[in-house]
Amino acid sequence: EVQLVQSGAEVKKPGESLKISCKGSGYSFTSYWIGWVRQMPGKGLEWMGIIYPGDSDTRYSPSFQGQVTISADKSISTAYLQWSSLKASDTAMYYCVRLGDQGFDYWGQGTLVTVSS
Amino acid sequence: EIVMTQSPATLSVSPGERATLSCRASQSVSSNLAWYQQKPGQAPRLLIYGASTRATGIPARFSGSGSGTEFTLTISSLQSEDFAVYYCQQYNNWPPGIFTFGPGTKVDIK
Repeated sequence: EVQLVQSGAEVKKPGESLKISCKGSGYSFTSYWIGWVRQMPGKGLEWMGIIYPGDSDTRYSPSFQGQVTISADKSISTAYLQWSSLKASDTAMYYCVRLGDQGFDYWGQGTLVTVSS
Repeated sequence: EIVMTQSPATLSVSPGERATLSCRASQSVSSNLAWYQQKPGQAPRLLIYGASTRATGIPARFSGSGSGTEFTLTISSLQSEDFAVYYCQQYNNWPPGIFTFGPGTKVDIK
């Protein structure tokens, strides 16, 4: 069974750094792109970027380029999304998602990030 | 950058009725369009890809149509579990292009 399991909710202060994770199982992790999607409270879905764990090829949405870093460790089948300096506007639910043959076919359960002083 | 719009923002439908949701792209995306369903407190779920192909396990009451810039998601007979928010997404020029979601249509009970 394909699963993407994300790390737990985080509460951080503005200016702090953060790295959240997404562990894939039940399929060949290095053979599928893994993307990240942001959903701010009460809002829609925003595609942030995507990585191919096989060779770490990474693409970013122009809206998120330079704001976050996407990485992956294929030895432990885990993708990451990180911030070097959080802002209150980063408060959101973040989903990791697998890009399969049919589209974004498997989603993680989401990681809620709250940034507040 | 391709901009996706959806209409209406909210659609009120009675159970058993037909629902028609629209999605428009600012430029042609060919058939590189997907639809997702999101229920409160849940992650989205892929419904349709390639504009008209149902994803694995999706009931036949869901159908997609269109190409180029105009797309439609039809739910033939709404069930209670279908009340949710629906998003379209374009993936034209992938790779190496980018993905863009529409703002969503909320389908609620009339």
